[in-house]
Amino acid sequence: GESVGLHLPTLSVQEGDNSIINCAYSNSASDYFIWYKQESGKGPQFIIDIRSNMDKRQGQRVTVLLNKTVKHLSLQIAATQPGDSAVYFCAENRRGGGNKLTFGTGTQLKVEL
Amino acid sequence: EPEVTQTPSHQVTQMGQEVILRCVPISNHLYFYWYRQILGQKVEFLVSFYNNEISEKSEIFDDQFSVERPDGSNFTLKIRSTKLEDSAMYFCASSESEGSNQPQHFGDGTRLSIL
Repeated sequence: GESVGLHLPTLSVQEGDNSIINCAYSNSASDYFIWYKQESGKGPQFIIDIRSNMDKRQGQRVTVLLNKTVKHLSLQIAATQPGDSAVYFCAENRRGGGNKLTFGTGTQLKVEL
Repeated sequence: EPEVTQTPSHQVTQMGQEVILRCVPISNHLYFYWYRQILGQKVEFLVSFYNNEISEKSEIFDDQFSVERPDGSNFTLKIRSTKLEDSAMYFCASSESEGSNQPQHFGDGTRLSIL
């Protein structure tokens, strides 16, 4: 069925290294994508979004890349810090999908000192 | 920075009882949402609300669920007769405009435990 999914359930990186979190989606009608960070006991926190008419967008220490050909997006975190430790979700909204966000299963990012 | 606030943070209820979860969306936002997250699973859409009516709902949002905006600031989710499987984190979200154009901002959730 249609889905938004993540490749890796857990990613461990050393402090200061760059992190790359991946997400695959299956519906070619998906046209808006959001990355959320969820810390323990908190709600999803907006990080960055990208529309399907773009292939790259940069924020503060974060970059999202979108490859529509293979239906894949990634979140790159530069100089990963201990405070980046959390679960990261990609979510998508699709044309004709109303306002519903469909979330992926999440990747746990662990930053090792 | 404005944020979505939810109360209570934790609600414990006996099965079969009614429960009301409360949310105060970001003040200039027009679209409101409820999502839930069962422990260890992904976040699932329940319902979206705009202009004082439901704009979309999922198959989870059956007749036991209802939403209301009783005044200019609150947005509530009511579960009429709770079941054990309703135990989950419930997140309220809001967005400035419709979901395909603006990010939805989430509160920190209410943990609902059904006994």
